[in-house]
Amino acid sequence: QQKVQQSPESLIVPEGGMASLNCTSSDRNVDYFWWYRQHSGKSPKMLMSIFSNGEKEEGRFTVHLNKASLHTSLHIRDSQPSDSALYLCAARRNSGTYQRFGTGTKLQVVP
Amino acid sequence: GALVYQYPRRTICKSGTSMRMECQAVGFQATSVAWYRQSPQKTFELIALSTVNSAIKYEQNFTQEKFPISHPNLSFSSMTVLNAYLEDRGLYLCGATHRAGNTLYFGEGSRLIVV
Repeated sequence: QQKVQQSPESLIVPEGGMASLNCTSSDRNVDYFWWYRQHSGKSPKMLMSIFSNGEKEEGRFTVHLNKASLHTSLHIRDSQPSDSALYLCAARRNSGTYQRFGTGTKLQVVP
Repeated sequence: GALVYQYPRRTICKSGTSMRMECQAVGFQATSVAWYRQSPQKTFELIALSTVNSAIKYEQNFTQEKFPISHPNLSFSSMTVLNAYLEDRGLYLCGATHRAGNTLYFGEGSRLIVV
């Protein structure tokens, strides 16, 4: 069964610092990744998606994808306390129509 | 914009009773709806994927007998948790998309508490 592994489980970064989150799929048929952010007591909201090798940047958020290793990473620069949340990685099989989620990385940005 | 309303937000039910939750898509056609459960430990499990005019696909460990789903049109889906027990506790989320496999828009979730 397809698995999506995320690391670290939790991360504490100082305000203004860089947060780096990792995600790897064990399914060679995965072709699309998403990063969602879930604030406490809320539902997940999509942050960024990526399906091509390389890098994608939107504001303070950058996503990398290495399709050969099925590894994606999310980097948040100039981290803010409002970035504190659970970050979920999801992956889709190219033959499937749904996303599987990892267990998430809990990010805490401390002032 | 795309919005998904999910209700009820929270239900407390006695062990062995059932809970029905509903998911309403606004502003787009919810061709596919994926139902997930997020456990108290935050693990995200896919329960089933429902696509209009197709059979509902349940994941391993989840069955139609326990989690019957209805998806009668492009804006509405419902799921029931039958005979709920402690292990069924969690936040049930519906994620809808207008095109299967694309970005999911999530409702705010229906939290099930079993006592």
